Amino acid sequence: GQQVMQIPQYQHVQEGEDFTTYCNSSTTLSNIQWYKQRPGGHPVFLIQLVKSGEVKKQKRLTFQYREEKKNSSLHITATQTTDVGTYFCAGQGAAGNKLTFGGGTRVLVKP
Amino acid sequence: DAGVTQSPTHLIKTRGQQVTLRCSPKSGHDTVSWYQQALGQGPQFIFQYYEEEERQRGNFPDRFSGHQFPNYSSELNVNALLLGDSALYLCASSLVGTQYFGPGTRLLVL
Repeated sequence: GQQVMQIPQYQHVQEGEDFTTYCNSSTTLSNIQWYKQRPGGHPVFLIQLVKSGEVKKQKRLTFQYREEKKNSSLHITATQTTDVGTYFCAGQGAAGNKLTFGGGTRVLVKP
Repeated sequence: DAGVTQSPTHLIKTRGQQVTLRCSPKSGHDTVSWYQQALGQGPQFIFQYYEEEERQRGNFPDRFSGHQFPNYSSELNVNALLLGDSALYLCASSLVGTQYFGPGTRLLVL
């Protein structure tokens, strides 16, 4: 079955630095969705990527969907303490179907 | 406009008992999906309901069952609870693609 993997599992970042987390699927996807989950909270939708090669930005967050539609990345610039949480990518084999989540990247920010 | 709501927020049960969790989707959404999230892991898909029928199912045993009502709200039932069923149970509603999650129900099985 479809598998989604994320690296790294943990990311310790100094406040103000940049970092990137990667998402890799075992199969071609219809779309990839990114979520953020704060400690004790629930996944909150960030963005959906649909088109091959697509790049979307949300303030300090840049999301990219690779050409082969199996891989994606999230790059955060000038990390802030508010960025603490776990970032999940989730793939859909077909629009509207189940989401297959990666294991998440847990981000800790050192002030 | 209320988002996805779930009840109860927390629940403690003992092994062998049965539990029912409830979910009200975001206004205008007709599809409800349920996920189980164990501590430190990503959510795992249980099943999805659309037009009151189970449309897709993940790798969960028959002890996990569900229902969707005409108003699109949904229930998740788990029978014969095991210790390993302790988790955060998330409901997500959608119209086409993007799924929006509720706050979840934290279930502890003792």
